[in-house]
Amino acid sequence: GIQVEQSPPDLILQEGANSTLRCNFSDSVNNLQWFHQNPWGQLINLFYIPSGTKQNGRLSATTVATERYSLLYISSSQTTDSGVYFCAGSTGTYKYIFGTGTRLKVLA
Amino acid sequence: ETGVTQSPTHLIKTRGQQVTLRCSSQSGHNTVSWYQQALGQGPQFIFQYYREEENGRGNFPPRFSGLQFPNYSSELNVNALELDDSALYLCATRPGITGELFFGEGSRLTVL
Repeated sequence: GIQVEQSPPDLILQEGANSTLRCNFSDSVNNLQWFHQNPWGQLINLFYIPSGTKQNGRLSATTVATERYSLLYISSSQTTDSGVYFCAGSTGTYKYIFGTGTRLKVLA
Repeated sequence: ETGVTQSPTHLIKTRGQQVTLRCSSQSGHNTVSWYQQALGQGPQFIFQYYREEENGRGNFPPRFSGLQFPNYSSELNVNALELDDSALYLCATRPGITGELFFGEGSRLTVL
């Protein structure tokens, strides 16, 4: 099965800073999502982005499908951005494989 | 709000017992999958149901079983609970056999 590698594993930022999270896939995927897991455990959808670029407020994401990676950009970070960010992908019609996550802490 | 509801939110069981977790699907979503998330790890795929049939399974033993009902709600059953079954169990739905997943808030199971 595919392997999903996320970097960095941990990130500490001052409020207002920008950051880039990366996700590498060992094989091509036809579904790809970014999630933010809140302290209560819920996975919140950020982007469904098997290819191309999308933006939503301070967040944006880019997937380069031919090179099997995706990037999540967070600009002007806020303390509420703290939590764990996961990327996940699938090659077929069922299971998504998740990375191990990037743990982000934004300091006031 | 994803429209996916899970119950119960928290529960405690003892080793050897059985547990049933429930998931109500968002309207129009005919595919449901279940994931197990151990502390500090990413979610791991358990299985998926599409139109009431299991159509994919991860590396979990047969004591993990499921059902999907005609209204597309779903159950996850775990028999003979082990300590390592302690985890957050997440249900996800989507409007077709592929595409974007929408997760519920999860059921946190503790096995003592």
